Amino acid sequence: GAGVSQSPSNKVTEKGKDVELRCDPISGHTALYWYRQSLGQGLEFLIYFQGNSAPDKSGLPSDRFSAERTGGSVSTLTIQRTQQEDSAVYLCASSSQGLDQPQHFGDGTRLSIL
Amino acid sequence: DQQVKQNSPSLSVQEGRISILNCDYTNSMFDYFLWYKKYPAEGPTFLISISSIKDKNEDGRFTVFLNKSAKHLSLHIVPSQPGDSAVYFCAAPDQTGANNLFFGTGTRLTVIP
Repeated sequence: GAGVSQSPSNKVTEKGKDVELRCDPISGHTALYWYRQSLGQGLEFLIYFQGNSAPDKSGLPSDRFSAERTGGSVSTLTIQRTQQEDSAVYLCASSSQGLDQPQHFGDGTRLSIL
Repeated sequence: DQQVKQNSPSLSVQEGRISILNCDYTNSMFDYFLWYKKYPAEGPTFLISISSIKDKNEDGRFTVFLNKSAKHLSLHIVPSQPGDSAVYFCAAPDQTGANNLFFGTGTRLTVIP
């Protein structure tokens, strides 16, 4: 499809396990963002990739969170040793370069930590 | 600290009437604002934007107004339709060099047929 694709759509895992979330951005979009939305909250910025530049990791809440973007396209967000407070919807977005370019979002991965 | 605020968590409007969704911000450096619409189980979709050099931007049934002195913007939908029922987020790009959109907490709009 032409939109941002995220997988899995839902993930349930036990506390302490590692999880990997995938994002396939819109072809040609150089910017890729990860956000999360906890229950009753707005979207919280996690990390930003732009082309081949070093990512902006300023939003990552702890060192258990990491992300990669291989070949300037697909990105994976990894959460190690998951905690219950990690439960949220994780959203990926992509855009053309520039923060004034609208971000196009995937449908998110709903992560539930038991 | 929330730099973009939506103080009304929900709003109900009769079909055909005007919906007004409000957003306040604290950072006078913000120079661009966006509204996103989100249906359940879907990601947000871009709706309309406005630059700080303007005080109004219109796109069909959707108009965004910006009052810089009050640090306030609003989204007007007229006439409202049942399909407009969704959560609406306002957002503003970080101006500090960080690559971030600040989002409000959203307003759930219900348009009653």
